[in-house]
Amino acid sequence: SQTIHQWPATLVQPVGSPLSLECTVEGTSNPNLYWYRQAAGRGLQLLFYSVGIGQISSEVPQNLSASRPQDRQFILSSKKLLLSDSGFYLCAWSRSGQGVHGYTFGSGTRLTVV
Amino acid sequence: AQSVTQPDIHITVSEGASLELRCNYSYGATPYLFWYVQSPGQGLQLLLKYFSGDTLVQGIKGFEAEFKRSQSSFNLRKPSVHWSDAAEYFCAVGSDAYTGFQKLVFGTGTRLLVSP
Repeated sequence: SQTIHQWPATLVQPVGSPLSLECTVEGTSNPNLYWYRQAAGRGLQLLFYSVGIGQISSEVPQNLSASRPQDRQFILSSKKLLLSDSGFYLCAWSRSGQGVHGYTFGSGTRLTVV
Repeated sequence: AQSVTQPDIHITVSEGASLELRCNYSYGATPYLFWYVQSPGQGLQLLLKYFSGDTLVQGIKGFEAEFKRSQSSFNLRKPSVHWSDAAEYFCAVGSDAYTGFQKLVFGTGTRLLVSP
């Protein structure tokens, strides 16, 4: 069966420090991968998605970047965190190919920038 | 453009009472519909999905949803709410009318509070 792992679960970082959140998927190949953010009391905001290794699409301009160095690995990064980067970050995957596929989400990372 | 509307930001239901969460979509083709639930501090879990066939769909945890094409709705229901159902619920829509990659469109969510 397929599983998605996301870590760390909680992170407190000072303003200006770098960030690296990692997400890996097991049990499938060539998944579509997604990074979402939830600010407090708000809905899901799609940050990045990827349909293949090295292929990253950004949905909104921001202080963050994403990379996909391996087929089932998706990394969210920042060189210098801002206070506004605080939030709950969710990784998700879906099957690739034609048609509509539901998403499977990771358990999330609570990031607090202080 | 594709859109999903969850008109209720918050809903409070007494434990044991019935529940209906509303979802309306705007799509030009046959939609693929999903309901997800998110407990506090957790990721989203799929409750149920509709692709085709019977318009009444059964999901996990005793939830069901009914697709009504004439009303462009996919409302989530549960006959008797338990305190553990308190969470945020998201409706999402996709369509097979497009070739290639496409993303699901998520609603803004409805927070369910369960009173004793």
